[in-house]
Amino acid sequence: GENVEQHPSTLSVQEGDSAVIKCTYSDSASNYFPWYKQELGKRPQLIIDIRSNVGEKKDQRIAVTLNKTAKHFSLHITETQPEDSAVYFCAASKDFGNEKLTFGTGTRLTIIP
Amino acid sequence: KAGVTQTPRYLIKTRGQQVTLSCSPISGHRSVSWYQQTPGQGLQFLFEYFSETQRNKGNFPGRFSGRQFSNSRSEMNVSTLELGDSALYLCASSLNRRETQYFGPGTRLLVL
Repeated sequence: GENVEQHPSTLSVQEGDSAVIKCTYSDSASNYFPWYKQELGKRPQLIIDIRSNVGEKKDQRIAVTLNKTAKHFSLHITETQPEDSAVYFCAASKDFGNEKLTFGTGTRLTIIP
Repeated sequence: KAGVTQTPRYLIKTRGQQVTLSCSPISGHRSVSWYQQTPGQGLQFLFEYFSETQRNKGNFPGRFSGRQFSNSRSEMNVSTLELGDSALYLCASSLNRRETQYFGPGTRLLVL
């Protein structure tokens, strides 16, 4: 089955700097890659997603890039703010949306004021 | 629209008991998926229901089961609870099978 590896497991950046989280997937048939943000004690919330027919997607300070050949995708957060501190999960699925999401192990992002 | 709701939010059980968790999807959403979240294993897919039928199943033992009702509400059941079943159980709903999933707040289960 699909396997998603996520790095780093923890990341600390100064407020205002950029943060990058990387994920690799094993199944070349995967075609949908969402990113979820989970604050302490709260539910995971979708922050951005990308389909395999697109190489990059941006939403204000957040962007995701996808390299299908290398089977990896990355989350980029620019101009980080304290409220960006959370655990971020990447995921992959084979059938946009609900061919079961396989999650990475999460990255705990801490923004240092 | 109201978000995904899950009941109960917290639950304490003892080994060997069984438990039923409930999930009400966003109004109009027809697909419900369940996930188990633990510190050690992260987020793991349990199963997915659409139109009252299980469409996908993760790698969990048969003690984990679920169902979906005609109003799209879903329940999952865990029988013969083990200590390792202690986790946050999340359900997620989507409009149809190929739409974005939105998570509920989860049910935190503690097995003693």
